[in-house]
Amino acid sequence: SAVISQKPSRDICQRGTSLTIQCQVDSQVTMMFWYRQQPGQSLTLIATANQGSEATYESGFVIDKFPISRPNLTFSTLTVSNMSPEDSSIYLCSVEGQGLTGEQYFGPGTRLTVT
Amino acid sequence: GQNIDQPTEMTATEGAIVQINCTYQTSGFNGLFWYQQHAGEAPTFLSYNVLDGLEEKGRFSSFLSRSKGYSYLLLKELQMKDSASYLCAGLILTGGGNKLTFGTGTQLKVEL
Repeated sequence: SAVISQKPSRDICQRGTSLTIQCQVDSQVTMMFWYRQQPGQSLTLIATANQGSEATYESGFVIDKFPISRPNLTFSTLTVSNMSPEDSSIYLCSVEGQGLTGEQYFGPGTRLTVT
Repeated sequence: GQNIDQPTEMTATEGAIVQINCTYQTSGFNGLFWYQQHAGEAPTFLSYNVLDGLEEKGRFSSFLSRSKGYSYLLLKELQMKDSASYLCAGLILTGGGNKLTFGTGTQLKVEL
């Protein structure tokens, strides 16, 4: 499985500011995914990021609020813009495995608290 | 829409067997995954089923019935370290490729 790192691991931010989360993979992958996990909840897919194309956002998530970059096959960023306390959550990136089953492997997550 | 249901919490005894159920109603279903997530950590992949039947992997087994929209994760010889959240996720085939839709997760507590 791929080794995935995220920066920062945690942050405390003021409302109205923006935070960019980085996701780095140790191998080239076609698809990268960004999830949100609110306290005590399961994972919700924010968007799918393919290199060389615009990210595909799930219902309820928009590019203005969560802009995503995917400059190459090993890196992606997710920005949480104009933050409010409701954005306090863990943000995780994931990648598909090399097999054909479609399993995903997750980064360690970024714990964001908005005050 | 996509709908995946699991019990919220379960408690079991060390050394026992526990079965965590998952029911789903999804379109474009292309397989079912189970993940384990310890508090404060990322989910880790446990198992995958695409065909009906039982997949065994050590102390963990997973079962799928596509006709019934039903899966379960079976944990044998429970250990204290198995206390975690267990997430059922459906693999959905869309025009943009595969994506995972997660259930709410089942918080398992293993007691002495």
